[in-house]
Amino acid sequence: NAGVTQTPKFQVLKTGQSMTLQCAQDMNHEYMSWYRQDPGMGLRLIHYSVGAGITDQGEVPNGYNVSRSTTEDFPLRLLSAAPSQTSVYFCASSRLQETQYFGPGTRLLVL
Amino acid sequence: DAKTTQPPSMDCAEGRAANLPCNHSTISGNEYVYWYRQIHSQGPQYIIHGLKNNETNEMASLIITEDRKSSTLILPHATLRDTAVYYCIVRPRMRFGAGTRLTVKP
Repeated sequence: NAGVTQTPKFQVLKTGQSMTLQCAQDMNHEYMSWYRQDPGMGLRLIHYSVGAGITDQGEVPNGYNVSRSTTEDFPLRLLSAAPSQTSVYFCASSRLQETQYFGPGTRLLVL
Repeated sequence: DAKTTQPPSMDCAEGRAANLPCNHSTISGNEYVYWYRQIHSQGPQYIIHGLKNNETNEMASLIITEDRKSSTLILPHATLRDTAVYYCIVRPRMRFGAGTRLTVKP
C-alpha cells in the first residue's frame, strides 16, 4: 500500500490563480479530510468526506472546494488564491471512526 | 465539540520517561482520546488512542482518568528521535490545538 499520497509537494501561486491539490489513498477508507497548518499552529480542518459523493465543511472552508467522486481521491480546489492561504496542507484518511493516516503534505506559497 | 488543553512545551532527559498531560474536561461518553505527534513538518503520526481504559502499544502508554476529563501519554524511555510536537485530540471531531512541543535532551 502506498498509503496517503499528495501532489504536488510544493507549489508557488500568484494571487488570484486557481489550482487543485491532489490526495489519493489506496486503503479503501471511507473518511477523507483536508487540513491546513500555519507556522507554529496546529492543524485546522478545511473539508471532510465520509464517502463518495458526500462532503462537508470543517472549521475553515472559505476559499476552498472539494469533491469526492471516487473512494480513492479527494482533491482540494483553491478557487482564487490569496496570500492568507499560504500554508502546509495535509490530507488524511481512515475508516469511519478509526485512526486517521496523514499524507506528507503540500507546501503552498501564494505571492 | 470537546476541546483539549496541553502545556505548550516540555523537556525530558534521554532515557527517562516522558509524561505528557492533556485536559479534556468536556469530553462526552462516546468520544475517544487520540494522540498524534508531528516531527518537523511531516504529516502527523498516530501514536495511540483510548476510550476509558488504559492502553499500551509498542510506542507508548495512555493513562485516562476515571472521570475521563484528562489523560497522560507516557513515552517510557524517551530518545532524541521522540523530539516532536504531540497532539491530544478528541475523536470524532479531530480538532487539533497547538499541542505540546517535547524536547528530549541528551
